[in-house]
Amino acid sequence: ILNVEQSPQSLHVQEGDSTNFTCSFPSSNFYALHWYRWETAKSPEALFVMTLNGDEKKKGRISATLNTKEGYSYLYIKGSQPEDSATYLCAFPQAGTALIFGKGTTLSVSS
Amino acid sequence: DAGVTQSPTHLIKTRGQQVTLRCSPKSGHDTVSWYQQALGQGPQFIFQYYEEEERQRGNFPDRFSGHQFPNYSSELNVNALLLGDSALYLCASSLRGTGDTEAFFGQGTRLTVV
Repeated sequence: ILNVEQSPQSLHVQEGDSTNFTCSFPSSNFYALHWYRWETAKSPEALFVMTLNGDEKKKGRISATLNTKEGYSYLYIKGSQPEDSATYLCAFPQAGTALIFGKGTTLSVSS
Repeated sequence: DAGVTQSPTHLIKTRGQQVTLRCSPKSGHDTVSWYQQALGQGPQFIFQYYEEEERQRGNFPDRFSGHQFPNYSSELNVNALLLGDSALYLCASSLRGTGDTEAFFGQGTRLTVV
């Protein structure tokens, strides 16, 4: 059974702070790693799908890095804003199809 | 583009009853996956449908079954409901469902079993 671990479980920062979260996944048989943002009362929304070791992706103030050999990915948010408050989920495709999710990191940004 | 739509949004059922949840995928998507999200947990994979066949199944009992129609929409059926089935049920669609493309999620159906 695949295990995807995320840390921390929750995080509270002030507006303007930069922050980062970790996702750990099995390093063998790597296929892809997904990051999703889930705002309250909305649908989970894809941020990144990463497939290559050393890959680094960026969307506005949010970026992610990937290390497939050691089995981890970092998500960075630069200059956090209240609208960044959400749960951030990472997911690892099992057998190339089913997404196995971590429990998520819940970020709260105070203005 | 309406994206992924799920119905109903909320549902209350009694133990032992049966329930059907529905999902329409994003336009152009052919694969539908269903997830259960219990409080404090990440979404748990139930099963995936592609070309009207169940392609992969998670660790859920046979009480959970599904169907995909020729227009790619899908249903999730749960029989003999238990209190522990109370959760948010999410539907996600993707193209081919190969894992290297992003999934698009609906807003979910909140099922409460009393």
